[in-house]
Amino acid sequence: SFELTQPPSVSVSPGQTARITCSGDALSEQYAYWYHQKPGQAPVLVIFKDSERPSGIPERFSGSSSGTTVTLTISGVQAEDEADYYCQSADSSGSYALFGGGTKLTVL
Amino acid sequence: QVQLQQWGAGLLKPSETLSLTCAVYGGSFSGYYWSWIRQPPGKGLEWIGEINHSGSTNYNPSLKSRLLISVDASKNHFSLELSSVTAADTAVYYCAGAPVLYLLQTVDYFGMDVWGQGTTVTVSS
Repeated sequence: SFELTQPPSVSVSPGQTARITCSGDALSEQYAYWYHQKPGQAPVLVIFKDSERPSGIPERFSGSSSGTTVTLTISGVQAEDEADYYCQSADSSGSYALFGGGTKLTVL
Repeated sequence: QVQLQQWGAGLLKPSETLSLTCAVYGGSFSGYYWSWIRQPPGKGLEWIGEINHSGSTNYNPSLKSRLLISVDASKNHFSLELSSVTAADTAVYYCAGAPVLYLLQTVDYFGMDVWGQGTTVTVSS
């Protein structure tokens, strides 16, 4: 079955770099998308097609892909970046989408 | 600027049918894939399914037997029906849109960049 695996939590101090990984076999064939979600709010797209940044998303957000793992990198983390982060992709045939389990980013 | 407004019943009894509608304002209705996503209390996001302007659908296999997503392009609306609900269907339900480009043999997908406000649905006897 198709799964996307994320670490449950990542903690960093302000100004440091946070890296959140997402692993799954289909990632070698399908793009990944990243969303952040703050409590009580709808998710917001921060990276599309592995590494593209939507307009309005700060440059400190970047994405990369290697084999079956994609990584969201937040450089110079700010307190406002504290949120849940979800990766999303599709099965190898593109028939349906799936979210990873989510990673809680804590800014110490 | 595309905006989404969603509505539907928030309290259901077990075995009833969940019904939600999402209206699309601004932008190109035909230039998006329209999705439903849900989030149980304290848990992560679950993709439910999607539809395009012409009615082509993709469904989460785990929900497919109970699921119907439909579109009314004349009204720029799309809808979700989930039958035979149980307490496990209690969640915040979101509608969302992903801009797409239709290529010769595939669809170029740009991620869900517009979301509705969410509707809390509770299933309880």
